[in-house]
Amino acid sequence: GEDVEQSLFLSVREGDSSVINCTYTDSSSTYLYWYKQEPGAGLQLLTYIFSNMDMKQDQRLTVLLNKKDKHLSLRIADTQTGDSAIYFCASSSGGSYIPTFGRGTSLIVHP
Amino acid sequence: EPEVTQTPSHQVTQMGQEVILRCVPISNHLYFYWYRQILGQKVEFLVSFYNNEISEKSEIFDDQFSVERPDGSNFTLKIRSTKLEDSAMYFCASSEAQLGAFFGQGTRLTVV
Repeated sequence: GEDVEQSLFLSVREGDSSVINCTYTDSSSTYLYWYKQEPGAGLQLLTYIFSNMDMKQDQRLTVLLNKKDKHLSLRIADTQTGDSAIYFCASSSGGSYIPTFGRGTSLIVHP
Repeated sequence: EPEVTQTPSHQVTQMGQEVILRCVPISNHLYFYWYRQILGQKVEFLVSFYNNEISEKSEIFDDQFSVERPDGSNFTLKIRSTKLEDSAMYFCASSEAQLGAFFGQGTRLTVV
């Protein structure tokens, strides 16, 4: 089945850009998602990208997809302390609507 | 903004007892899901539900689990005889299709 991998931690200084990386195994993945989980809260859908796109920008968020390398990244510009959370990469394949999640990357933003 | 609502937020139960976790999905969504997250681990898919039946389930979703949409708005997960290892955060989610599931705040289940 699909496997999604992410690094566990990322620490950045406030105001810098953050880049969270993700790799997936299923080449038939058609939808790729980024979710945010703040402490004690549920998963909030941040953005998603279709596999026929290379990039999607939404305000401070930029998603890059390298389909050849099965690599997805989330860039957060001008990272703020309120961005501190766990960020989950997820993918789903055309035959299933079920997102498979990575372990999540804990983003720590320090002053 | 519409949201998925889960109750209770925290449930403590004794091992062997039955629990029912409740969810109210977003009203125009057609696909419903339960996931769980054991502390510090991945968010794991349990089951999906569409058109009043289970459409997919994982190997975690064994005979002690069941789901129901009893009244057209609620979506419940029942665990028949809880085990210590069932302790986790349980998330309900709903979606229109493949546009990304929206998750509730979760129910923290603690089995003692």
